[in-house]
Amino acid sequence: DTAVSQTPKYLVTQMGNDKSIKCEQNLGHDTMYWYKQDSKKFLKIMFSYNNKELIINETVPNRFSPKSPDKAHLNLHINSLELGDSAVYFCASSFDRGYEQYFGPGTRLTVT
Amino acid sequence: AQSVTQLDSHVSVSEGTPVLLRCNYSSSYSPSLFWYVQHPNKGLQLLLKYTSAATLVKGINGFEAEFKKSETSFHLTKPSAHMSDAAEYFCVVSALSSGSARQLTFGSGTQLTVLP
Repeated sequence: DTAVSQTPKYLVTQMGNDKSIKCEQNLGHDTMYWYKQDSKKFLKIMFSYNNKELIINETVPNRFSPKSPDKAHLNLHINSLELGDSAVYFCASSFDRGYEQYFGPGTRLTVT
Repeated sequence: AQSVTQLDSHVSVSEGTPVLLRCNYSSSYSPSLFWYVQHPNKGLQLLLKYTSAATLVKGINGFEAEFKKSETSFHLTKPSAHMSDAAEYFCVVSALSSGSARQLTFGSGTQLTVLP
């Protein structure tokens, strides 16, 4: 059983398109996160949701919008994709804020 | 405020020799500390965690780390490196923020290369 899953694993698209990445966790956790990892492996937190409420919203362009339909899902929608959005996006979940996080396998987004 | 510094961006060892990945942290409150490993094209996997119990923490795959409050360090070690240990390693600190909510802060990562 996969604890944190993401779809798709790879996403290749053109500039200006809109795309979504889906995340699901079956750990019963209350908190979920989105991270962006650049080519130098630096991890930057983008959003965090706790019980379906947004609790962290770092400096991220408003083209990025998270949606949490329920505690087990946190999706990431990106409008008007730009070349600089190319990265690996990781979803993670934890029991509560500050506890160890469990990561999904990542979605490699390539914008051409 | 809290921060974490991984002192080496790259570490190279020979197979069968010890591994030492260094991590220093700063935190205004009692921290929890974690090490994660990321193999190529994979997600991050929790190696071990310190949460104010025993200062020497054992993790998976033969890794361990020692919490030293006086040195504000949480170095990761392994007695004998294996080729499969080649990966990126992240040190992470969790502590109460000023808003009384705990937050994780990730280090910049250490790339471990294991030579045959």
